[in-house]
Amino acid sequence: GAGVSQSPSNKVTEKGKDVELRCDPISGHTALYWYRQSLGQGLEFLIYFQGNSAPDKSGLPSDRFSAERTGGSVSTLTIQRTQQEDSAVYLCASSLVGGLLDQPQHFGDGTRLSIL
Amino acid sequence: GESVGLHLPTLSVQEGDNSIINCAYSNSASDYFIWYKQESGKGPQFIIDIRSNMDKRQGQRVTVLLNKTVKHLSLQIAATQPGDSAVYFCAENGGPNNAGNMLTFGGGTRLMVKP
Repeated sequence: GAGVSQSPSNKVTEKGKDVELRCDPISGHTALYWYRQSLGQGLEFLIYFQGNSAPDKSGLPSDRFSAERTGGSVSTLTIQRTQQEDSAVYLCASSLVGGLLDQPQHFGDGTRLSIL
Repeated sequence: GESVGLHLPTLSVQEGDNSIINCAYSNSASDYFIWYKQESGKGPQFIIDIRSNMDKRQGQRVTVLLNKTVKHLSLQIAATQPGDSAVYFCAENGGPNNAGNMLTFGGGTRLMVKP
């Protein structure tokens, strides 16, 4: 079956531009997560969606970052006025259910974002 | 700082030997732990998980051990193969600011398998 799909796989843009990153979760998964991974580092939580509940945005590093999840499926992470420190791999994960967090999260291969 | 850490940033083993990757966690409220494998250019791949009501769980060639007394987690890989070369992350469902909505990841250990 299809896993988590992210697009684009690579994105290079100039400082100050806006970018949109897309995530298609596994069909039927109600929980969706965005993480950021800097070179050689672990994963940093950004935002979490569970069904129709208000998202947990506690990990977003600044107000330049926002995310939406339409129809409980596809999610878009938007970074406005990009800065060089935004360069990283942005990973999306989904799980069958969230909340109690005792289900494994399944990851996409990420979008590698490079800010020039 | 992160509540999950790893003792060895790089582990080099001979093909066919067993590998042990260690992880320490600091949040005693964590009750669910996962090991992920990440190959270059790929997302983390789920390997095995364990809940706090267990101290050992076995998969195919992998075993996870949990010691809640000292808050230690380990991943054992039997008969390590070149395809096991990757970065391994442990993750817990508790963390410094965790409301239970995300996993807290350690910094990762690179496993290198020598042929």
